[in-house]
Amino acid sequence: EVQLVEWGGGLVKPGGSLRLSCAASGFTFSTYSMNWVRQAPGKGLEWVSSISSRSDYIFYADSVKGRFTISRDNARNSLYLQMNSLRAEDTAVYYCARDYCTSASCYYYFDSWGRGTLVTVSS
Amino acid sequence: DIVMTQSPDSLAVSLGERATISCWSSQSVFFSSNNKNYLSWYQQKPRQPPKLLISWASTRESGVPDRFSGSGSGTYFTLSISSVQAEDVAVYYCQQYYGTPYTFGQGTKLEI
Repeated sequence: EVQLVEWGGGLVKPGGSLRLSCAASGFTFSTYSMNWVRQAPGKGLEWVSSISSRSDYIFYADSVKGRFTISRDNARNSLYLQMNSLRAEDTAVYYCARDYCTSASCYYYFDSWGRGTLVTVSS
Repeated sequence: DIVMTQSPDSLAVSLGERATISCWSSQSVFFSSNNKNYLSWYQQKPRQPPKLLISWASTRESGVPDRFSGSGSGTYFTLSISSVQAEDVAVYYCQQYYGTPYTFGQGTKLEI
């Protein structure tokens, strides 16, 4: 069974930093591209960042570009999101989500999701 | 950026009725080289993460009840629930994966 478990959220002051982690199990992590998707309280879904299986392709939403860094450790089956210069508008539940991948390619829709970790940016 | 717009924002139906949600993209998400629409649908129940229902505009995921169906092409898509059940109460989102940023519709809240 595919499992994605996020942690690392919490309360942080504006301008502060936080590092989110996502532990993956139940599939061959190193062959899947992965994503972070967030959801502000009571709001819709916003894609944040994607990373390819070998970390050679990385994409960010404009809202986080230059402040957030996605990375992965395939040996540890883990995905990360380093968040710097946090703003109030970054307050959200952050989900780790797996791309749908075949043996030939990955497509950026999300077939498995974690339960999320809440990040609150407030003074 | 491709903007995704859903209609309506909320929808109230009776048990057993048909529900239809519309989704428009600001540009076509049809990729002619493989004849596919890069459009997915998700269901999010209260206090749960989203769940993938449909990919490629009309391909139902394994385990998704066949009362859920997707259709459309290019810039206009629909998600239909043929006979709404109590467990279908949720917010439904469309998403395009044609290009970055991968954008979602604002969501449609389905109520009984």
